[in-house]
Amino acid sequence: NAGVTQTPKFQVLKTGQSMTLQCAQDMNHNSMYWYRQDPGMGLRLIYYSASEGTTDKGEVPNGYNVSRLNKREFSLRLESAAPSQTSVYFCASSPGTGFSAKNIQYFGAGTRLSVL
Amino acid sequence: QKEVEQDPGPLSVPEGAIVSLNCTYSNSAFQYFMWYRQYSRKGPELLMYTYSSGNKEDGRFTAQVDKSSKYISLFIRDSQPSDSATYLCAMSWDNYGQNFVFGPGTRLSVLP
Repeated sequence: NAGVTQTPKFQVLKTGQSMTLQCAQDMNHNSMYWYRQDPGMGLRLIYYSASEGTTDKGEVPNGYNVSRLNKREFSLRLESAAPSQTSVYFCASSPGTGFSAKNIQYFGAGTRLSVL
Repeated sequence: QKEVEQDPGPLSVPEGAIVSLNCTYSNSAFQYFMWYRQYSRKGPELLMYTYSSGNKEDGRFTAQVDKSSKYISLFIRDSQPSDSATYLCAMSWDNYGQNFVFGPGTRLSVLP
């Protein structure tokens, strides 16, 4: 019963390097999300995918791209990393939307990224 | 003014104490309210999920929503050292995950 799995758990990059954060969920959820968490700021939405085949920008999308590879997987790419992208990144998934259902988000354990 | 505010703490209490954690918000359209618990170096996990106003109880946890004051609370009775974590509130005007707004969290330490 894995839930939401994120890889890698830790990463150190140099300014200008690129990398992809991977996320997979095994709960057959329709919606997936990428957040970043910075001290004192709370969780901020970077991108989300409401359903397979769609992606949309969240609150802080600049410097990131995403791919919803299939229903299970949602990746986040940093094309040219900057020190301001040093953060903890969380992937989450939820069943979807609907006023009669609890649209609970389930989170992965996070990726701790440092950009030097 | 931030849309959702929480006292960051840290809040330290002795084991067995009643803990009160609070969030204030500015958007009167919010009607879905959640509390998440986040242990150190882990992802947030949902504790309580309420719709509109009122109280909801689950074991040692009680969530309270006062929409007229734009204020929500989480009470923990008989607090345990295992309750030591950061508590995040989250809220939304609809049930769409991309519209959830998270508070910055309050760090709680329950001392044995």
